[in-house]
Order: sequence, then C-alpha cells, then structure tokens
Amino acid sequence: AQSVTQLGSHVSVSEGALVLLRCNYSSSVPPYLFWYVQYPNQGLQLLLKYTTGATLVKGINGFEAEFKKSETSFHLTKPSAHMSDAAEYFCAVSASGTYKYIFGTGTRLKVLA
Amino acid sequence: DAGVIQSPRHEVTEMGQEVTLRCKPISGHDYLFWYRQTMMRGLELLIYFNNNVPIDDSGMPEDRFSAKMPNASFSTLKIQPSEPRDSAVYFCASSLRGTGWKEQYFGPGTRLTVT
Repeated sequence: AQSVTQLGSHVSVSEGALVLLRCNYSSSVPPYLFWYVQYPNQGLQLLLKYTTGATLVKGINGFEAEFKKSETSFHLTKPSAHMSDAAEYFCAVSASGTYKYIFGTGTRLKVLA
Repeated sequence: DAGVIQSPRHEVTEMGQEVTLRCKPISGHDYLFWYRQTMMRGLELLIYFNNNVPIDDSGMPEDRFSAKMPNASFSTLKIQPSEPRDSAVYFCASSLRGTGWKEQYFGPGTRLTVT
C-alpha cells in the first residue's frame, strides 16, 4: 500500500525567501514520486518527477526536490519565491510501472510582498 | 495541442437530478483517468481506462456513479441521482503508454454543485 503525507496545508513565505514544502511517502515497492502545481481554477500541472537515477531532480520554474529513501521524503524547494509561485502544490506517489497515483492533501503556498 | 478538454466547466444542479460530465483526452493518448477533488478528501482517483476499457474502478464511490468511454476521444462520468455530497471538482486526465514513466495531463476540471 502507498500513501503520501504533506505537512502543512498552508505555507506563507516572503517574496525572495526560500520555499520548502514537505512530503513524506510510504510505499512497499520502489516509488515514483511527483510534484504537481495547481493554479486557481486550473488543472494540475507537473512540476517535476523522480523515477530512478539521480535523487536530486530539477523541475520547471526553478523548483527542485530530493528523494531521500532513508527518510522516505521528497521535499520540494525553491531558493527564491516569486509572487507567481502562489498556488496549491500536490505531492503524489505511484508504484513503479503503474498508473495509479496517490495524491497528498495539498499545500497552499502564499507569497507575501 | 489542445490539451485535455472537459465540459461543462461549471454545473449546478438540484439533488436527484442526473449529471453528465464529459472529457476529451489528448489525441493519441490511450489512458484516461477520472479524479474527484474535495476539501475533505483531497484528490481521489475514481476510475481509469486503457484503450477504452475500464481497468480499475475501485475508487468509484457508489453505484450512483458510472463512467464510460465509447471511443478513444470521448469519456463520460455520470451521477444518477446526484446528492449534495457529490459537490466537488471533477478532473479528467490522459496519458500515453510508453516505456518508463508516464505523465498524466490534466484537464481544467468541472466544478459540480448539487443543491
């Protein structure tokens, strides 16, 4: 069985500050891990993914995430927040080779001017 | 590419009425997924199809919900009869089978309100 826990349903950062959104997963098989972003009234858009290989993955808009197997974590970071980063972010896990995603409950990011 | 298309974008209906949500996947994609998003339960997979055949419907909440995919370019999610607790945003996503990892592309969603 797989599950995803996102710590903090709301996160606020100042413009230019570090963004850190936390995701921990549980999986009995090697996982594929994803971060998606959802802007208001829109569908989900893929930010980045980890499947195999390098544990530090880079995505769009300056975001990156590191897969840490020992900590069962896949936290999302961005060195400097921009106002346009305000959105809801979802972490998801799937068992390798399957199409079934399990999503976390989401973290709403607010960027303060 | 037009992306995944969903209609209507907003639907308001009264309890007991039938509701039909529609989805057109990206051309050439052979997997189609229906999700439901609510504040209480987050984003849940309801059902997914491969080559128009339902593969896993374990997420369909109850018999009031049904989904069909009559051809590769069209799918429907029907709720009959609808109830206020069905109020949610319903997303459709599609994906293309291939080697390695398969990204799901999401539509803009249908916001359903049942009064």
